Amino acid sequence: DAGVIQSPRHEVTEMGQEVTLRCKPISGHDYLFWYRQTMMRGLELLIYFNNNVPIDDSGMPEDRFSAKMPNASFSTLKIQPSEPRDSAVYFCASRGTGGAGSGANVLTFGAGSRLTVL
Amino acid sequence: GEDVEQSLFLSVREGDSSVINCTYTDSSSTYLYWYKQEPGAGLQLLTYIFSNMDMKQDQRLTVLLNKKDKHLSLRIADTQTGDSAIYFCAERGSGYSTLTFGKGTMLLVSP
Repeated sequence: DAGVIQSPRHEVTEMGQEVTLRCKPISGHDYLFWYRQTMMRGLELLIYFNNNVPIDDSGMPEDRFSAKMPNASFSTLKIQPSEPRDSAVYFCASRGTGGAGSGANVLTFGAGSRLTVL
Repeated sequence: GEDVEQSLFLSVREGDSSVINCTYTDSSSTYLYWYKQEPGAGLQLLTYIFSNMDMKQDQRLTVLLNKKDKHLSLRIADTQTGDSAIYFCAERGSGYSTLTFGKGTMLLVSP
């Protein structure tokens, strides 16, 4: 398996522009998570999906952020309009559902999308 | 909410053992994890331990869990310069689908 695939790896944009980050989870995984990592706040959970349904979006900073999962193999995180304080590394992660000791419930991360908003 | 605390920085010399410590508050934790993040990369799972265990060994890595004190540690034997990275502790509570991560410990290994 190629692991969790994220694109783009790097994005530089200007304030006010729309940004779309993409994620392909590991095939068969039914949970998908979006995290944001900054020096100041560390790793923050933004939203997660189970079977393509958003379960908890309480970590989404504000209405400028939205996430979708139209099918089991694709998710997007959109920021519109973007602001300089959105600059961070955004990670997508996925996991399956398994019993105790099952490797299927281990959270696997993508390589991240580094966003810079000027 | 639940909290996971780690020291921010550890510096060791190549060949020494490294011990990274973590404390957590969730008494219902079922699994505890150690992830490694190298520069410019995502978090990579190193090892995990189920809460009914107190030790797990995997090659150079030893995880110790003191459930009473809610303390987790990761020992890396014969630390190499390639072990320089940020190490994250994380816990998963009973009935929770998500992990709570610490802020990470930066390990610097000097030759």
